[in-house]
Amino acid sequence: GQNIDQPTEMTATEGAIVQINCTYQTSGFNGLFWYQQHAGEAPTFLSYNVLDGLEEKGRFSSFLSRSKGYSYLLLKELQMKDSASYLCAVVDYGQNFVFGPGTRLSVLP
Amino acid sequence: EAGVAQSPRYKIIEKRQSVAFWCNPISGHATLYWYQQILGQGPKLLIQFQNNGVVDDSQLPKDRFSAERLKGVDSTLKIQPAKLEDSAVYLCASSLDMIDWLQYFGPGTRLTVT
Repeated sequence: GQNIDQPTEMTATEGAIVQINCTYQTSGFNGLFWYQQHAGEAPTFLSYNVLDGLEEKGRFSSFLSRSKGYSYLLLKELQMKDSASYLCAVVDYGQNFVFGPGTRLSVLP
Repeated sequence: EAGVAQSPRYKIIEKRQSVAFWCNPISGHATLYWYQQILGQGPKLLIQFQNNGVVDDSQLPKDRFSAERLKGVDSTLKIQPAKLEDSAVYLCASSLDMIDWLQYFGPGTRLTVT
């Protein structure tokens, strides 16, 4: 079966660093995506990992360990506009895009 | 580049009524997806098209949901008859093709069934 787990909610302070974890058990693995979704809006692409290691993109970084079925999204220098839901999605061997439940991040002043 | 367009943005209907949603993907994108996103959950794939053919509709409740992409461009998703549990946001996404997994999402249609 397909299972992707993320914490439901997280809270952090403006200027801080936050790490959002994602663990997965899927039918094979072809890559992992992170999307950001502001309330009432469409998900927008943040990052993609297919090999183990860290991918850095400005204030956002994403890490993957395929052997552990684990990824995290690291957000640095948090801003109020980073308050959103963060969705982890895995592409399995059937090329199916499976989303996790999402983590709702609140950034406080 | 224009994004994925969806209409309507909001719809309120009573249970047992029917409703249809429309999606126009990014120009040149061969693959189109419809997702259902219930409040507080991640999107769940309902159906995936490659051009005008169905690739995956395993999670589509076929007794009440139908979708088509007749000319391989825009698509409609229909629910008939609607149930209370169909209240959700219906997201359309597109990608260049089936092996380019980067999906671009439309703004969604928020459906409320009363």
